[in-house]
Amino acid sequence: EPEVTQTPSHQVTQMGQEVILRCVPISNHLYFYWYRQILGQKVEFLVSFYNNEISEKSEIFDDQFSVERPDGSNFTLKIRSTKLEDSAMYFCASSVTGETQYFGPGTRLLVL
Amino acid sequence: GNSVTQMEGPVTLSEEAFLTINCTYTATGYPSLFWYVQYPGEGLQLLLKATKADDKGSNKGFEATYRKETTSFHLEKGSVQVSDSAVYFCALSDGGNTGKLIFGQGTTLQVKP
Repeated sequence: EPEVTQTPSHQVTQMGQEVILRCVPISNHLYFYWYRQILGQKVEFLVSFYNNEISEKSEIFDDQFSVERPDGSNFTLKIRSTKLEDSAMYFCASSVTGETQYFGPGTRLLVL
Repeated sequence: GNSVTQMEGPVTLSEEAFLTINCTYTATGYPSLFWYVQYPGEGLQLLLKATKADDKGSNKGFEATYRKETTSFHLEKGSVQVSDSAVYFCALSDGGNTGKLIFGQGTTLQVKP
């Protein structure tokens, strides 16, 4: 069964550094998403991406964040200058129609 | 805005007990409703869904019915197993162009042998 994959599984970085989280969505899916879950809190929507552009973003998704689909398979989330409060589990998801979303295993980001 | 509220956890049950995890929602329109499960150390897995009122989603012995009159989507299972121990998330699809998901806070289920 096709799966969403994410790399790395864990990332430790220093405050102020740039990080790139990578995702490979399911191959025939057209909608792509990033969510995050701060430890002990709800899973929160960050951004959705369709037809090579951002279709919706949350208040969390400020100028420090960007997304890209650099080729036909990868979908990346970049955090330009990480803050302590960016420490969280980041989930990528994809969907064929935008209704049912399938999630990857997540990347745990720790900012020191 | 749209929101999802789940019952507080953790929920601790003995094997073969009946499970109910309550979920209520606030939404404009008619969102699709979902239950996701997160096993220890893993990502979110879709457990079941319902897309309109009175629909029943079911999978792996779990069921949930979309109740528009009570704005609820409670998760039930008749006989839980130790392997069901996980965190369960109720979510709604916010509609619009992309159907972003709005999640409840998650309910931890622990099943003891």
